Amino acid sequence: KNQVEQSPQSLIILEGKNCTLQCNYTVSPFSNLRWYKQDTGRGPVSLTIMTFSENTKSNGRYTATLDADTKQSSLHITASQLSDSASYICVVSASSNTGKLIFGQGTTLQVKP
Amino acid sequence: ETGVTQTPRHLVMGMTNKKSLKCEQHLGHNAMYWYKQSAKKPLELMFVYNFKEQTENNSVPSRFSPECPNSSHLFLHLHTLQPEDSALYLCASSQGQGQSYEQYFGPGTRLTVT
Repeated sequence: KNQVEQSPQSLIILEGKNCTLQCNYTVSPFSNLRWYKQDTGRGPVSLTIMTFSENTKSNGRYTATLDADTKQSSLHITASQLSDSASYICVVSASSNTGKLIFGQGTTLQVKP
Repeated sequence: ETGVTQTPRHLVMGMTNKKSLKCEQHLGHNAMYWYKQSAKKPLELMFVYNFKEQTENNSVPSRFSPECPNSSHLFLHLHTLQPEDSALYLCASSQGQGQSYEQYFGPGTRLTVT
């Protein structure tokens, strides 16, 4: 069964600190993996997308990694800011024509001053 | 802000009411989606439309009825809902339907069924 599991479920850090969010998946055949940020009361916004051949991708203070062999991904946030408080969702798509996405349950990050 | 708008942003309805959610995309996309997001659960795909034609119905109860009059507009008609239908309903659009196309999400409609 295609699944995406994220950890931790929630996380609290102090402003300025770094953190890493984890994503494990069992989706096959793998096509790509995306990380989304969802602010409270808003829809998800894409941060990064990686295909099978990519093992790291950065977007400002966000760096995503992908290990296609172990089927694991991480999202590293550097020098966190209050505005990073949000839910971070890992999304994996399988190779198909339907474009169906398999969503993780998300990690809720709270950055405190 | 994305080019996908949703109205209303909040909706409270009784179980016997009939209401509709509206989604409009200003991105020139051809595919549109409805998702349900319940607390502590992953997003659940409900319906997919590509070039106005429904291409996917993810075993959604008939009390949810989608309508796609053109590639820019998508509606979700609601009737005789249950309290467990309370959730955030998200609309998304993409240039095409397929895993290589980025989906852009609207802000969602927060639905409460009383």
